[in-house]
Amino acid sequence: TQLLEQSPQFLSIQEGENLTVYCNSSSVFSSLQWYRQEPGEGPVLLVTVVTGGEVKKLKRLTFQFGDARKDSSLHITAAQPGDTGLYLCAGQETSGSRLTFGEGTQLTVNP
Amino acid sequence: DAGVIQSPRHEVTEMGQEVTLRCKPISGHDYLFWYRQTMMRGLELLIYFNNNVPIDDSGMPEDRFSAKMPNASFSTLKIQPSEPRDSAVYFCASSLLSPPLSYNEQFFGPGTRLTVL
Repeated sequence: TQLLEQSPQFLSIQEGENLTVYCNSSSVFSSLQWYRQEPGEGPVLLVTVVTGGEVKKLKRLTFQFGDARKDSSLHITAAQPGDTGLYLCAGQETSGSRLTFGEGTQLTVNP
Repeated sequence: DAGVIQSPRHEVTEMGQEVTLRCKPISGHDYLFWYRQTMMRGLELLIYFNNNVPIDDSGMPEDRFSAKMPNASFSTLKIQPSEPRDSAVYFCASSLLSPPLSYNEQFFGPGTRLTVL
């Protein structure tokens, strides 16, 4: 089973600050996804990155897939309280359709 | 589209009782996944189906857990007998892998919070 390590596990910042969440593995993934989960709900897909070196932007969120397709980062600019939630990265194995999820980063943005 | 539907949303039961969790995937999706989420272990894949056929059940903890998918619109996860360590949130997710796309974007249900006393 391929493993994904996320860091940091917990992050508490003030509104307006920038932050970066990292997702690392020693394994290669065919694609990598980022999800956000709010209390009492299931994870919701934010983005999928497929190509090594790919960068995708979703408003204030910037996602990057490492050149070797083993790692990814999520950068949030000018964080807002509405960004609060659990952020999960998930890698799709090269040999199949299952996803391996990281442990998650619990982000709290204080007003 | 109503999204993935799970029932019940909350279940409280006593140790030794049988528990059945239900899931209705998004219409037209060909993959269905069952996950368990806890603070200690995060989100773990239990089993997944493709076109109603179980593909990988290596994540099922032990024989007390079983899952079925009798048709494309319904799946169950059963725990018999239940134990306190089974307390967790159980999620069902579905996806559609259609060529030429090969990546698995999953849509999750709201989850079932299970408490075994």
